[in-house]
Amino acid sequence: NAGVTQTPKFRVLKTGQSMTLLCAQDMNHEYMYWYRQDPGMGLRLIHYSVGEGTTAKGEVPDGYNVSRLKKQNFLLGLESAAPSQTSVYFCASSNRDWVHEQYFGPGTRLTVT
Amino acid sequence: KQEVTQIPAALSVPEGENLVLNCSFTDSAIYNLQWFRQDPGKGLTSLLLIQSSQREQTSGRLNASLDKSSGRSTLYIAASQPGDSATYLCALLRAGNMLTFGGGTRLMVKP
Repeated sequence: NAGVTQTPKFRVLKTGQSMTLLCAQDMNHEYMYWYRQDPGMGLRLIHYSVGEGTTAKGEVPDGYNVSRLKKQNFLLGLESAAPSQTSVYFCASSNRDWVHEQYFGPGTRLTVT
Repeated sequence: KQEVTQIPAALSVPEGENLVLNCSFTDSAIYNLQWFRQDPGKGLTSLLLIQSSQREQTSGRLNASLDKSSGRSTLYIAASQPGDSATYLCALLRAGNMLTFGGGTRLMVKP
């Protein structure tokens, strides 16, 4: 049982390039989330999904798109990367029960030059 | 807007001490509160989760309490060890599946 995994672990992009971060969970969780963590700003929610085929905006959604084509996967896309998107990105998942405990992946460190 | 504050931002204690980490929040309309641990360069590990109807949760040397009326939660660590050195984050789950995090307390336990 791997829990929540993220691919890649590290990436360096040039301004204007695009990329997709992949999150996978093997716990059959309904809900999945993407956060970014920045020094002095803490963790902030980018987008989330409450089920296959559904997505919703979080606190800081601008510049990102997401897709949830399969229940176990949640993709975060950057269409035109900007230096302000340099951050550590975390994916999380939780069950659709009354507990809603969130489980986090190991993170992806992204640098945009 | 929900604001979550953790004090102190950093704490250094000798091994064996009992310690308390604080988390305060402005909006008591929460579903639950989670305490996480984050090691440098790593992801978040869930330590304890307290439902809004509960007052405390315990796991080993850790005890977390929740007082919604005063907007406070505490994480108590008994008999601290060097392996407890990490950043501790509290996070509140509110309507709309929004988990709002505090800024964290960076703990160092010296041997």
